[in-house]
Amino acid sequence: EAGVAQSPRYKIIEKRQSVAFWCNPISGHATLYWYQQILGQGPKLLIQFQNNGVVDDSQLPKDRFSAERLKGVDSTLKIQPAKLEDSAVYLCASSPLRGRGNEQFFGPGTRLTVL
Amino acid sequence: DAKTTQPTSMDCAEGRAANLPCNHSTISGNEYVYWYRQIHSQGPQYIIHGLKNNETNEMASLIITEDRKSSTLILPHATLRDTAVYYCIVRSYGGATNKLIFGTGTLLAVQP
Repeated sequence: EAGVAQSPRYKIIEKRQSVAFWCNPISGHATLYWYQQILGQGPKLLIQFQNNGVVDDSQLPKDRFSAERLKGVDSTLKIQPAKLEDSAVYLCASSPLRGRGNEQFFGPGTRLTVL
Repeated sequence: DAKTTQPTSMDCAEGRAANLPCNHSTISGNEYVYWYRQIHSQGPQYIIHGLKNNETNEMASLIITEDRKSSTLILPHATLRDTAVYYCIVRSYGGATNKLIFGTGTLLAVQP
């Protein structure tokens, strides 16, 4: 089966610019997650969707980050305006409602560099 | 969710077993132990999970101590492709929030 797709793979922007990332989860997976991974750290959950509803966005900096999952399939994560500390890899993951150990399947990530 | 402690890095010779320890002394009765790994420039990948019994799958074995305060992930015959950061995560199973809380993990370097 096809895995989680993300685009772009790399993005370089200047601070105060806007950027958007796209994620297409594995077909049929109801739950979608966005994680932020800063260099040298483990991934940190930003937001979790179940279908098109938000389950957990407690770690999302809502003054500059937004995410949506229209129609319960694809998702976009936006940063506006970007700061230097937003430089990180943004990982998208998906999981079925019932699967092996609530296993999450991760995409390859988008590496964002803010100059 | 309980906190975990892992060594920062480990080496292993190719073809030998890799034994990755994890301490989770504050684990509660309904929390599972999960292992994920992250190969360089890729997203994390699920390996295995368990509650209290030892588990084995096609990738690895998970040994959980009787008091559940620690566990060991075993890769029986490590290859160069097993070089990765291995994360031990403790969390409840099920429920609406399926959040994984990652620490900094153990960097396993498999040497030829």
